[in-house]
Amino acid sequence: QVQLQESGPGLVKPSETLSLTCTVSGGSISSSYWSWIRQPPGKGPEWIGYIYNSGSTNYKPSLKSRVTISVDTSKNQFSLKLSSVTAADTAVYYCARLLRYFDWSPGGAFDIWGQGTMVTVSS
Amino acid sequence: SFELTQPPSVSVSPGQTASITCSGDKLGNKYACWYQQKPGQSPMLVIYQDYKRPSGIPERFSGSNSGNTATLTISGTQALDEADYYCLAWDSSTALYVFGTGTKVTVL
Repeated sequence: QVQLQESGPGLVKPSETLSLTCTVSGGSISSSYWSWIRQPPGKGPEWIGYIYNSGSTNYKPSLKSRVTISVDTSKNQFSLKLSSVTAADTAVYYCARLLRYFDWSPGGAFDIWGQGTMVTVSS
Repeated sequence: SFELTQPPSVSVSPGQTASITCSGDKLGNKYACWYQQKPGQSPMLVIYQDYKRPSGIPERFSGSNSGNTATLTISGTQALDEADYYCLAWDSSTALYVFGTGTKVTVL
């Protein structure tokens, strides 16, 4: 079955760029939409954005100016870059697969999640 | 912007029924799904496309969605159902995903 694993630094300095990678195992990255979701300590999840195999993306508007999600099909990985981070970006970051309801729409549910990785923004 | 509101907490006695609501403008015109999250764990999908259960999710979890409110119902609630629950919907007008504010379910 498909499994996801996040990797990347657990500590990032303010104003720097947070970079995380999600490795997909047990299935091809080419056949689905993939997403990043974060959850600040003690708060609910926040959707960051998604990417499709073709490279098409969509991001949460409040983060759009700082976020880039990309995919590397040769490595079966997709990545998140979040620039100019502040303490407000401290959170557990999850990668997730999107189970689409219809082939013609990105609407669906996130059915498979990684275990999450804690990223702290601090000097 | 599209928002989803849930009650902060719901308490239920073992064996009884817990109902968790998720409210948003014309939510019934969109598909809703629900996640269960226990401390230190990733969210787990328990209901998708309003009422469908993923493989392995007990039948005591059910969902509905109409008007401005989606509802997750847990029948015959067990102690292991104690967790945080979040709704999620996709806003087709903006192609954005929105999570609900979350509900802590306590089994007393």
